[in-house]
Amino acid sequence: QVQLVESGGGVVQPGKSLRLSCAASGFTFNTYAMHWVRQAPGKGLEWVAVISSDETNKYYADSLKGRFTISRDNSKYMMYLQMNSLRPEDTAVYYCARPPNWGSHYFDYWGQGTLVTVSS
Amino acid sequence: DIQMTQSPSSLSASVGDRVTITCRASQSISTYLNWYQQKPGKAPKLLIYTASNLHTGVPSRFSGSGSGTDFTLTISSLRPEDSATYFCQQSYRTPPLTFGGGTKVNIK
Repeated sequence: QVQLVESGGGVVQPGKSLRLSCAASGFTFNTYAMHWVRQAPGKGLEWVAVISSDETNKYYADSLKGRFTISRDNSKYMMYLQMNSLRPEDTAVYYCARPPNWGSHYFDYWGQGTLVTVSS
Repeated sequence: DIQMTQSPSSLSASVGDRVTITCRASQSISTYLNWYQQKPGKAPKLLIYTASNLHTGVPSRFSGSGSGTDFTLTISSLRPEDSATYFCQQSYRTPPLTFGGGTKVNIK
């Protein structure tokens, strides 16, 4: 069965960096684009970034202004989100999510999320 | 970017009630509208995709309709386990994907 498991969250000071990981299993990872979506405490969902199946295309939310980098390692069934120059407003649960097929831009599988808290 | 507006932001209804949640897009998105259910502390779950298609395993009391800019999610007969927050999401013009602000459904 499809599983997505995020890790790497924690408490970090403003201005510092953090790398999140998403471990995928139960499907052919290198045939799916993958996304990060975040949710600030008590708030709605915010799309963060997407990476194509072969890593050639990457897109980000404008609000991130180049601070975040999405990547993947298809040989390891892993996706990553490198977050630099973190700000308190980046505090959120970060989910990795998978669309059902190529060309779809909604999500049929989500991880359980990993909490990032940016605080001094 | 396409803005998604949900209403109401919250509602209370009784078991067995018919519940309707509305989502409006800032421009036409055809039927590229999806609905999710999220319970506290859990990841969202897909309910409806492309406006009216029920995702696998989702109870038939959930239905979606609409096209263009106006969409609805309907729960035909509310059950206690439907207490959750519901989000719409457009997948017409991406990136970015955008979500509505959510509708919290409470059971009276």
